[in-house]
Amino acid sequence: AIQLTQSPSSLSASVGDRVSFTCRASQGISNSLAWYQQKPGRAPNLLVYDASNLEDGVPTRFSGSGSGTDFTLTISSLQPEDVATYYCQQFNAYPLTFGGGTKVEIK
Amino acid sequence: DVQLVESGGGVVRPGGSLRLSCEASGFTFDDYVMHWVRQVPGKGLEWVSAINWNGGSIGYADSVKGRFTVSRDNAKNSLYLQMNSLRVEDTALYYCARGHYSGSSHWGQGTLVTVSS
Repeated sequence: AIQLTQSPSSLSASVGDRVSFTCRASQGISNSLAWYQQKPGRAPNLLVYDASNLEDGVPTRFSGSGSGTDFTLTISSLQPEDVATYYCQQFNAYPLTFGGGTKVEIK
Repeated sequence: DVQLVESGGGVVRPGGSLRLSCEASGFTFDDYVMHWVRQVPGKGLEWVSAINWNGGSIGYADSVKGRFTVSRDNAKNSLYLQMNSLRVEDTALYYCARGHYSGSSHWGQGTLVTVSS
């Protein structure tokens, strides 16, 4: 199975900061990657699909990039409502897999 | 509006069985791949299974292969997960989700499965 490693596992930043976190695949997955945001007690919310396509309704401060094995999710200006855990998921091959998550907090 | 409503969760003994259902509305069900994803409360997400529009392509996580069976009834706009030989480690909140390119764009609220003696 393809392993996805997210880093860091947690980060703390100030409102307005630009923050980025990464997802590394154990083998190439082209652009078959999604990013989700999950808040406590809620189902995950799709932010980015196909590595760099912003889902409808998602604020434009979110962006995804990368291809192959290395992917990045960037929040251009961190907002209080962005406090959540962020997960990547690969769709290149069964079994599909998720990364372990990055928990984002406000400093 | 797209809606996904899971049901069928509950408490079951190790070795027992449960059948989860996910009723879909607000979209053309047989146009989409459907997924099951689970989450132990307080832990990360684990993909469980997926099925394409006609059941011709199905995938399972290694942890459930041979024990779980996914199916769908497009006439009833419903997705199912038959779970046999349940283990304590299958305890989790089970979500169904609608596929969207390389992503899952809509999720249900989840149904809780507890495997305990």
